[in-house]
Amino acid sequence: EPEVTQTPSHQVTQMGQEVILRCVPISNHLYFYWYRQILGQKVEFLVSFYNNEISEKSEIFDDQFSVERPDGSNFTLKIRSTKLEDSAMYFCASSGGGGGVKLFFGSGTQLSVL
Amino acid sequence: AQSVTQLGSHVSVSEGALVLLRCNYSSSVPPYLFWYVQYPNQGLQLLLKYTTGATLVKGINGFEAEFKKSETSFHLTKPSAHMSDAAEYFCAVVAGGTSYGKLTFGQGTILTVHP
Repeated sequence: EPEVTQTPSHQVTQMGQEVILRCVPISNHLYFYWYRQILGQKVEFLVSFYNNEISEKSEIFDDQFSVERPDGSNFTLKIRSTKLEDSAMYFCASSGGGGGVKLFFGSGTQLSVL
Repeated sequence: AQSVTQLGSHVSVSEGALVLLRCNYSSSVPPYLFWYVQYPNQGLQLLLKYTTGATLVKGINGFEAEFKKSETSFHLTKPSAHMSDAAEYFCAVVAGGTSYGKLTFGQGTILTVHP
């Protein structure tokens, strides 16, 4: 079965630094998503992306966050100035769209902000 | 708005025993409901989903779930647990007909299977 690939699997950064989390969605998918899970908490929706623009975002997704599909294959999440509370597992997902959509998730990037 | 409550953060069963993982949802519109499984160091994998039609849905690995509107529940069952079922299970909901990818997850249930 095709896979969503995320790199790196672990990333450690200093508070205030910029980080870019990378994802390669499934090649023929059209919808892309980022979710995150803070340790001990629920998986939370961050943002959805379609047709080269954000289609929906949560209140978590403030001006410190941005997403991009720079080259038609990668999908990135950038955090401009990381905070301690950004430490979480970040999941990328993609789907082909349509009703009753099936999301394919990557294995996640564990971000640790020190 | 939608919300999901999974009763029991940890469930432990013996191999061969019935697996029952509970999920209750809240939704102001007809929901689409999902169960995902996460094995260690892997991503979330869709087990099964309910959108419309038959309320008993069958998924992969012998799991099934029944949508009960009157009880606002979508419990996951498997008649006979296998050691390989040990994982974390997430129930999720989305408002049917809108924002299909904006899932609201429950807190997860860790399933342990004893020999």
